[in-house]
Amino acid sequence: NAGVTQTPKFQVLKTGQSMTLQCAQDMNHEYMSWYRQDPGMGLRLIHYSVGAGITDQGEVPNGYNVSRSTTEDFPLRLLSAAPSQTSVYFCASSYSHRLNYGYTFGSGTRLTVV
Amino acid sequence: GQNIDQPTEMTATEGAIVQINCTYQTSGFNGLFWYQQHAGEAPTFLSYNVLDGLEEKGRFSSFLSRSKGYSYLLLKELQMKDSASYLCAVHFNTGGFKTIFGAGTRLFVKA
Repeated sequence: NAGVTQTPKFQVLKTGQSMTLQCAQDMNHEYMSWYRQDPGMGLRLIHYSVGAGITDQGEVPNGYNVSRSTTEDFPLRLLSAAPSQTSVYFCASSYSHRLNYGYTFGSGTRLTVV
Repeated sequence: GQNIDQPTEMTATEGAIVQINCTYQTSGFNGLFWYQQHAGEAPTFLSYNVLDGLEEKGRFSSFLSRSKGYSYLLLKELQMKDSASYLCAVHFNTGGFKTIFGAGTRLFVKA
């Protein structure tokens, strides 16, 4: 099993550009989520999904879109990048009813918007 | 709203015991996670408490009191490799299926 795979690992964008961060898991996890991590602020939930076709907003959803067309994939789209979106982005997944196993995190995408 | 508090930094000595506290205010509480995160890496799962009491996993133990909105992570026989950030996170089911993280506690283990 590869676990949770995030691509790319690093990205530099210009203000106003759009891009998609990819996240894929091969553990048949129902639940997937996106977090951003900024210094001193911990992990903040952007969007999450409890299954294919179902998504919902987290704490900081503005400027981001998601979709969940398959169980395996949960891409995060930045519509028009802003410097405030410079951050480290983590994708995480889990079984919905077996949280005692915790979330599995991807290795992260380090995004810089200039 | 949801609020999670934990100390920003702690320092302890190799071989000692350290307790990292976490207090939370949330509605629809389901359970509380602890994660470890080394600098530049992804968080890794340590524990998940649903019921009150202490759960032990080797050198790491986690305690929960739901009535007090309080948890702690206890690390015994500290090793240099335990220098990391420790993240407290609450899972709740009010308005969705969400896990919210605290800002984390940076632990420095000195020789």
